[in-house]
Parts: sequence; structure tokens; C-alpha cells
Amino acid sequence: QQQVKQSPQSLIVQKGGISIINCAYENTAFDYFPWYQQFPGKGPALLIAIRPDVSEKKEGRFTISFNKSAKQFSLHIMDSQPGDSATYFCAARGLTGNTPLVFGKGTRLSVIA
Amino acid sequence: SQTIHQWPATLVQPVGSPLSLECTVEGTSNPNLYWYRQAAGRGLQLLFYSVGIGQISSEVPQNLSASRPQDRQFILSSKKLLLSDSGFYLCAWSVATLNIQYFGAGTRLSVL
Repeated sequence: QQQVKQSPQSLIVQKGGISIINCAYENTAFDYFPWYQQFPGKGPALLIAIRPDVSEKKEGRFTISFNKSAKQFSLHIMDSQPGDSATYFCAARGLTGNTPLVFGKGTRLSVIA
Repeated sequence: SQTIHQWPATLVQPVGSPLSLECTVEGTSNPNLYWYRQAAGRGLQLLFYSVGIGQISSEVPQNLSASRPQDRQFILSSKKLLLSDSGFYLCAWSVATLNIQYFGAGTRLSVL
């Protein structure tokens, strides 16, 4: 119940295309859903996040779509660029502030020209 | 602003040698602190987290240990490294009430 399931494991997208990464969860106590971006050899960096009372959040080319009833959320990268090539992790936060984030297993995105 | 420092960036150690990785956070007080390990091409494995000085929660039984001697200092240690300890070690911090984690740059550990 504490898991966040992320798919696909890897993704190849043409430059200019849309990259879509999906995550699903079971625990309805999760109250905050961040996405992290990690470049090779670097630590993950917070990219964008959403609360369950919002169905969509957009920041530039990055959009989170949230479906509370289905307990699913997804990251959409519009006009994907080679510089977006990285590993993306979804995560979920429980109501207890001291409980660590629950991370998905990650998606390795490659954007090819 | 808050910053997190993690060192060294790269470390090569022989099997059986001790380990000490240090992480410090600046610009905040009483942060939650975390140690993660990431195998090549894999996900984030939570090793330890701490909500205060001397308070350590272990998520994975192993030959690693963690200590928090000061409010903003988190240390990962081992008495005798194994080959399987190789990996990318990441320290992270969060404000306790918000629990949005911010990661350091990581330490690449190779045990040979």
C-alpha cells in the first residue's frame, strides 16, 4: 500500500514529441505528489509537484495530470528536447511530515534528434 | 537559501576498509535528513533517515550505519566495506513539516 508504481521503465521519444510517464498509488493518505529529474552523475532535483485537489499543473513544457479517483498521476513533457534526457522519478508524500517520500522506480527518458 | 553539501564526490575503497561519508545542510534548522543508495541505472533505495539529533531510522539491514552528531550533519559509515556496497550515495534534507526532499550532488563509491 506504500508503493508508487511507475511506468514505463524506459522511454525513447523523438525531438519535439510528447513524453508521458505514468504513476499509480494505493494509499489514499498521500497528499502531495512531486516529480524529480535526475541527470547522470547528479542528485535528483525537484521538477514539479501537485496536490490531489488539483487535476492539472503546468510549468513551462512540463505538466502533471492527476486523477484522484483512479489514483493515478502522470508527467507530460511537451516539445521534448535532447536536454530533457534524464531519469524521472515520481513520488508521494504521506500526511505525517516525518515520513519519507515514497518513490517510484524511475523512468529513463532518451530524447533523440 | 538552503544548501546541502556532500563529500567526497568520488571514492574508491578496497573491500574490508572503513567508510565515512559526510553530509551537511546550511540555511535551515532541525531538518529531516536522509541517506539513499542508487545502483547503476536503478531507483532510489532509502537507507536511513533522521528527524533529529541522535534519532536514526534504518530502512534496510546491512553493514552500513548512520549518525547525526549535530543538527545539520549526517554521516554514513561502515566498518568493513563489501563489494555490494558500491553505488551512488545521495544525501537529502527536508523541512520536517513539508517533507519535500532536496538532494545533494551524491558520492560515487566504488569498492574494489
